[in-house]
Amino acid sequence: SYELTQPPSVSVSPGQTARITCSGDALPKQYAYWYQQKPGQAPVLVIYKDSERPSGIPERFSGSNSGTTVTLTISGVQAEDEADYYCQSPDSSDTYVFGTGTKVTVL
Amino acid sequence: EVQLVESGGGLVQPGGSLKLSCAASGFTFSGSAMHWVRQASGKGLEWVGRIRSKANSYATSYAASVKGRFTISRDDSKNTAYLQMNSLKTEDTAVYYCTVTLSRWGQGTLVTVS
Repeated sequence: SYELTQPPSVSVSPGQTARITCSGDALPKQYAYWYQQKPGQAPVLVIYKDSERPSGIPERFSGSNSGTTVTLTISGVQAEDEADYYCQSPDSSDTYVFGTGTKVTVL
Repeated sequence: EVQLVESGGGLVQPGGSLKLSCAASGFTFSGSAMHWVRQASGKGLEWVGRIRSKANSYATSYAASVKGRFTISRDDSKNTAYLQMNSLKTEDTAVYYCTVTLSRWGQGTLVTVS
């Protein structure tokens, strides 16, 4: 079955840049979406269609696609950005897949 | 404001059934695809399935792990989506979220199979 692979964890100091990667064979053909999930809360969409930012999401969140890898970048990380982050993409069989998830720790 | 409120979760024995509901407001429900996503405690997100709008023939799609056991339906007159879960297994224990087009999410309802 199709998989999206993310690093389990990323650590970053406040004000620095965090980059979270997501790798999958279908990513060159499908858009990627990114979600932020804080403990006990529902996921929140932070990036859609690879690099678009929903209204209300801070500009420090950005996304990019380079073939089989997409990247979520958080510039100028703040303490409130500490959370789990998941990528998501449709696959070719009309189903959807979430990445394995990355825990972002703000040191 | 988009609101999605799940209900119907609870404790059920293995092999049993449960039906979850998702009451929606704040957007054009009848024109929107609705998805269900679940999350076991301490684990990642798992897509469960989706139902499209009437304009797209109410087409459904399911994850392999639930296909044949779970059924998604909707009642556009009530702005409500449903997840019928049959032949439940212990591994189906999770918080179940409904989401509109995987963009806005409800707060989830806990299903425990034990």
